[in-house]
Amino acid sequence: EPEVTQTPSHQVTQMGQEVILRCVPISNHLYFYWYRQILGQKVEFLVSFYNNEISEKSEIFDDQFSVERPDGSNFTLKIRSTKLEDSAMYFCASRNWARGGTGSPLHFGNGTRLTVT
Amino acid sequence: ILNVEQSPQSLHVQEGDSTNFTCSFPSSNFYALHWYRWETAKSPEALFVMTLNGDEKKKGRISATLNTKEGYSYLYIKGSQPEDSATYLCAFISGGGGADGLTFGKGTHLIIQP
Repeated sequence: EPEVTQTPSHQVTQMGQEVILRCVPISNHLYFYWYRQILGQKVEFLVSFYNNEISEKSEIFDDQFSVERPDGSNFTLKIRSTKLEDSAMYFCASRNWARGGTGSPLHFGNGTRLTVT
Repeated sequence: ILNVEQSPQSLHVQEGDSTNFTCSFPSSNFYALHWYRWETAKSPEALFVMTLNGDEKKKGRISATLNTKEGYSYLYIKGSQPEDSATYLCAFISGGGGADGLTFGKGTHLIIQP
């Protein structure tokens, strides 16, 4: 069964550095998402992406964050200048709009654990 | 800010017993509710997508009901097995399809004791 893949599985970076988290969504999916989970807290929505542009973003997704779909397969999340509070698990997800519209489920990757020191 | 609450936060159940837990969400402007199972060291996996008031969905020993008028959904597990141990997340979508992001509850952490 096709799956969403994320790399790396664990990224350690110093405060102020830029990081790029990579995702390969399921190939026939049209909607792409980033979520994060800070240790011990709930899963939080960051951003959704459709048709090569951001369709919705949360308050967390400030100017330090950006997303890109540089080619037909990758979907990346960039954090320009990392802060300690950016340490979290970052999950990429994709959804096939054609199967039921907003009611179709998300398919998640295994996540990237980002540790900012 | 949408408020999605799940209770209880954690639950210990003896193997073979049945159990249920709750997801509460805003009763106005409902669009869809999702249930996900999240096992340790894995990614969340979709269980159910529910869109209609009164919906009942079933997958093996797990079932869910939906009441959009009062803003709650129940997840039931019949005859719990050790492999049911996981965190169960519900996620709510509001609006007429314009909102793309799901708002997740904090989850119910279920532990099945042999």
